[in-house]
Amino acid sequence: EVQFLESGGDLVQPGGSLRLSCAASGFTFRNYGMNWVRQAPGKGLEWVSSISASDDNTYYVDSVKGRFTISRDNSKNTLFLQMDSLRAEDTAVYYCAKGILRFCSGTSCLDTFDIWGQGTMVTVSS
Amino acid sequence: DIQMTQSPSAMSASVGDRVTITCRASQGISNYLAWFQQKPGKAPKRLIYATSGLQTGVPSRFSGSGSGTEFTLTISSLQPEDFATYYCLQHKSYPWTFGQGTKVEIK
Repeated sequence: EVQFLESGGDLVQPGGSLRLSCAASGFTFRNYGMNWVRQAPGKGLEWVSSISASDDNTYYVDSVKGRFTISRDNSKNTLFLQMDSLRAEDTAVYYCAKGILRFCSGTSCLDTFDIWGQGTMVTVSS
Repeated sequence: DIQMTQSPSAMSASVGDRVTITCRASQGISNYLAWFQQKPGKAPKRLIYATSGLQTGVPSRFSGSGSGTEFTLTISSLQPEDFATYYCLQHKSYPWTFGQGTKVEIK
């Protein structure tokens, strides 16, 4: 069974840092891109960041550029999100989600976000 | 950035009703469009990918259609377990963007 287990969420003061982890199992992790999506309390979903399977391409929403860093350790089947200079508006549940197959073709290049983790809560407050 | 305008933002419907939710993209996104269902306190669940591809295990009363800039999620006969919030997502170009969500409530 494909699944993700997120961890690392916590209460942190503004300006602080956190590192989120997403441990993957049940599929060949190194063959897939990965994503982070967040949801502020009572709000909708917001895409945050993506990383390619090979780790050589990363993408961010403008509001986190320069503060968040996505990375992965394919030897440990784990995705990370390093969050620095945290702000109150970063308060949200953070989800990891499975991305696109490396070397995809045709419809497989549109097959993404099929599996999500359970989410981890990040609260930025003094 | 591509904006996704989802409508309606909320609706009331009865069991057995046909429900249609629309997402309009600010520019063409080909078939890079997915639909998700989310229930309170739970992670989103993918229903549709590539505009009209039904996720394995999702009931056939859910269907997706559209192309270019206008996309539709249809529930042919609403069931009690379908009361939830629904989101579209474009993943044609970064930053990927979700619609604002449609909350489907019981009438």
